[in-house]
Amino acid sequence: GAVVSQHPSWVICKSGTSVKIECRSLDFQATTMFWYRQFPKQSLMLMATSNEGSKATYEQGVEKDKFLINHASLTLSTLTVTSAHPEDSSFYICSAPEINEKLFFGSGTQLSVL
Amino acid sequence: GENVEQHPSTLSVQEGDSAVIKCTYSDSASNYFPWYKQELGKRPQLIIDIRSNVGEKKDQRIAVTLNKTAKHFSLHITETQPEDSAVYFCAGIKGGSYIPTFGRGTSLIVHP
Repeated sequence: GAVVSQHPSWVICKSGTSVKIECRSLDFQATTMFWYRQFPKQSLMLMATSNEGSKATYEQGVEKDKFLINHASLTLSTLTVTSAHPEDSSFYICSAPEINEKLFFGSGTQLSVL
Repeated sequence: GENVEQHPSTLSVQEGDSAVIKCTYSDSASNYFPWYKQELGKRPQLIIDIRSNVGEKKDQRIAVTLNKTAKHFSLHITETQPEDSAVYFCAGIKGGSYIPTFGRGTSLIVHP
C-alpha cells in the first residue's frame, strides 16, 4: 500500500510554544490530506481537511488560528499547533487518500505540552 | 451528515474463537466501507474494505459483509490469535468525498 510519513513521532514542549507536524505522501500525490486528533481509547476526530493550493476546511469547533494548516505541495501538509497549552496534548495523525479512496495514515505524533 | 455507529466497544474472546464487530451507517450515499486495525500508539492500518456493489469480501481469516438495505456492515475474524488484539475502527465514505466517518472503535482482546 501507499506510504504516508509523519514527523515528529513525539514532541514535548513548554506551554506557549508552537509545534509543527509534517505529513508527507511518499509514493503518491495527495491533493487532499486529513488531520485527526485522537484521545486515549477514543476514535479519530477529524480536525480539518487540507487542500493543496487552497485554504484548509476546518471542522466545527476547531480553531483555525490555533491549528494552522499548510498544504503547499502535492506531497506535503503541515499542522502547526500555535501557543500550545496542556489541553492540546494529544495524539495527532494525518492521512491521505489514494485515487481509489483507500486511506493511508501517517505514524502519528504524540504531543505533550508541559 | 453521515453517522456511523459501532458495537461492541469492547470484545473479549478466547484464542481460536470467532469475533464479530458490527457497524451501522445513516447516509445511503456512502458506498465505501473500510476497516482499520490500530495497535496501541501506532497508526491505523487498513485490513479490509468493501464497496457497495459487493455483499461480502474475504481475505484469509478476515471477512466483511455488507447489507445495503439495512445499512449495516460487519467484520468477522475467525480463528482469532493474540496478535489480533487491537482496536478496530469501521468507517463509511460517500462516493467522491474521500472523507471517512469513523465508528467509535472496538477494543478486541484475544486471550491465549
